[in-house]
Amino acid sequence: QVHLLESGPGLTKPSGTLSLTCTVSGDSTGNVHWWNWVRQPPGKGLEWIGEVHHSGTSNYSPSFKSRVTMSVDMSKNQMSLSLRSVTAADTAVYYCATSVSYRIDLWGRGTLVIVSS
Amino acid sequence: QSALTQPASVSGSPGQSITISCAGTSSDIGGYNYVSWYQHHPDKAPRLMMYGVSNRPSGISNRFSGSKSGNTASLTISGLLAEDEADYYCYSYTSTTAYVFGTGTKVTVL
Repeated sequence: QVHLLESGPGLTKPSGTLSLTCTVSGDSTGNVHWWNWVRQPPGKGLEWIGEVHHSGTSNYSPSFKSRVTMSVDMSKNQMSLSLRSVTAADTAVYYCATSVSYRIDLWGRGTLVIVSS
Repeated sequence: QSALTQPASVSGSPGQSITISCAGTSSDIGGYNYVSWYQHHPDKAPRLMMYGVSNRPSGISNRFSGSKSGNTASLTISGLLAEDEADYYCYSYTSTTAYVFGTGTKVTVL
């Protein structure tokens, strides 16, 4: 069974860059093709940020496209998220997730990132 | 791409059936059979409950069923249990922005 674990600073300063890493462990990690980031601001719903394929191909939501980068390092079984020029509105729980055949099938537990000076 | 539209809340008594709707457009729900549904309990990871409109993943109770009509998808929970109380989100592929979530529905078991 595959497990996902998000990691990174829990606090980021306004105008800075939010950086998170997702590490996958367990059996069949080679079967993970698409990696996603989803976030949930406090008191709000889920937001799809984007996805990256293990080949490096990526798709981003227009809401984040101008300031997001996702990448995969399969040698480390890791995927990363970089979100630039953050504001307080980027405070949220960030989830790493895998997807297959147009559905997200596995989620991490999520990590809270607070944007504050 | 705006979020898909769901009712903010739906409630029912134990044993009853409830239906959660998810309204989109011809660019997402209406154009593809790529709608999935997620159950989200506070402080837990979301859980896939339905995919491809009406397919249940292994381990999901057959009390959950999914359907679609035009640009609107629906998730029905039959024989409502206290453990079904959670937030539910629809999710769809879209031709314009890849993927989009619904606004979310809080299910309350009375």
